Amino acid sequence: GQQVMQIPQYQHVQEGEDFTTYCNSSTTLSNIQWYKQRPGGHPVFLIQLVKSGEVKKQKRLTFQFGEAKKNSSLHITATQTTDVGTYFCAGSGATNKLIFGTGTLLAVQP
Amino acid sequence: EPEVTQTPSHQVTQMGQEVILRCVPISNHLYFYWYRQILGQKVEFLVSFYNNEISEKSEIFDDQFSVERPDGSNFTLKIRSTKLEDSAMYFCASSYGSSNQPQHFGDGTRLSIL
Repeated sequence: GQQVMQIPQYQHVQEGEDFTTYCNSSTTLSNIQWYKQRPGGHPVFLIQLVKSGEVKKQKRLTFQFGEAKKNSSLHITATQTTDVGTYFCAGSGATNKLIFGTGTLLAVQP
Repeated sequence: EPEVTQTPSHQVTQMGQEVILRCVPISNHLYFYWYRQILGQKVEFLVSFYNNEISEKSEIFDDQFSVERPDGSNFTLKIRSTKLEDSAMYFCASSYGSSNQPQHFGDGTRLSIL
């Protein structure tokens, strides 16, 4: 079945450093969504990308959808302690089922 | 801002017992979902529900599971005969459109099977 992998599994950065998580799907996606889950919390929607090669920015966050619509990335510039949490990509393909990636846990040291 | 609410926040049940997890989706949303997250792992899709019927389900969602929208506001997940491996956080989510729309998640119900 469809699998969505993310790397790295865990990243520890100093506050102010940049952070990137990469998302790879085994199948072509119709769209990709990104969610953030704070420790002990629930996933919160961040953004959706639909078009091949699409790039979207939200303040310090930059999201990219690959040309082949099988991969995506999230880059955070100058991390802050409030960025702590697990970042999940989630994609849907031929069906409407949303498949979550394995997640990247970001720890930010002040 | 409207939100998805789930009850109870924590449910402890003996193995083999039935459990019902409850959710109130956002009122104008049309699509409803249940997900499961085992501690420290990824969010796993269980089932989606639209127009009073299941639109899609995963291989996890076997005959022990069922969903229902008993009235105009509640959306429930029933596990008929719980197993130890059913212990997890269960999230309900809703969206206005299908899964290519943002999904809004509830705070989850932590299910502990003893």
